[in-house]
Amino acid sequence: AQKVTQAQTEISVVEKEDVTLDCVYETRDTTYYLFWYKQPPSGELVFLIRRNSFDEQNEISGRYSWNFQKSTSSFNFTITASQVVDSAVYFCALGRRPNTGNQFYFGTGTSLTVIP
Amino acid sequence: AGITQSPRHKVTETGTPVTLRCHQTENHRYMYWYRQDPGMGLRLIYYSASEGTTDKGEVPNGYNVSRLNKREFSLRLESAAPSQTSVYFCAISDPGTTGGYTFGSGTRLTVV
Repeated sequence: AQKVTQAQTEISVVEKEDVTLDCVYETRDTTYYLFWYKQPPSGELVFLIRRNSFDEQNEISGRYSWNFQKSTSSFNFTITASQVVDSAVYFCALGRRPNTGNQFYFGTGTSLTVIP
Repeated sequence: AGITQSPRHKVTETGTPVTLRCHQTENHRYMYWYRQDPGMGLRLIYYSASEGTTDKGEVPNGYNVSRLNKREFSLRLESAAPSQTSVYFCAISDPGTTGGYTFGSGTRLTVV
């Protein structure tokens, strides 16, 4: 069975602090994909990153970085020097191989509030 | 970008039929309907892998869908219930893309 757990329901940080959002997943697939999405107060869902299960290289994009560890089935997301505009709900998702229906499994989300 | 959901907001009475529509311009193969409820994340209602085919997701009860053509995927509530008050998202994906899902802007449905 596929499952994504985001244990942190809500997080509050003061602006310029670093914050890490945790994501733990379960799957028996050998090939899978991991994603992070951002949902700002306006409600739309914005794609942030996709990682393939065979590529454990960490990634950095500006203030965002992602730490993928297959050994612990985790795909954590760190925001460095947080800003008020980072306030949003963040979803981690697990995707199966292309051409497999019902591809995505979402976590319940982490609501991040950055206090000015 | 490529997905239009209609309507954006709707208030309806219990027992009335409701149709939500999703149109894509991307020509992606897969189309999905999700509902989002507080504390529940996004849950898959139905999806379609091609025109004329549909499959149930995690929470299909009370819903029907139609993949009218490659670009249109509608979600129908035959008899709306207060428990179906939610935000509904349409999404698309394609095996050839690298960016996962693309989501529509969502439809906020309130059943009173």
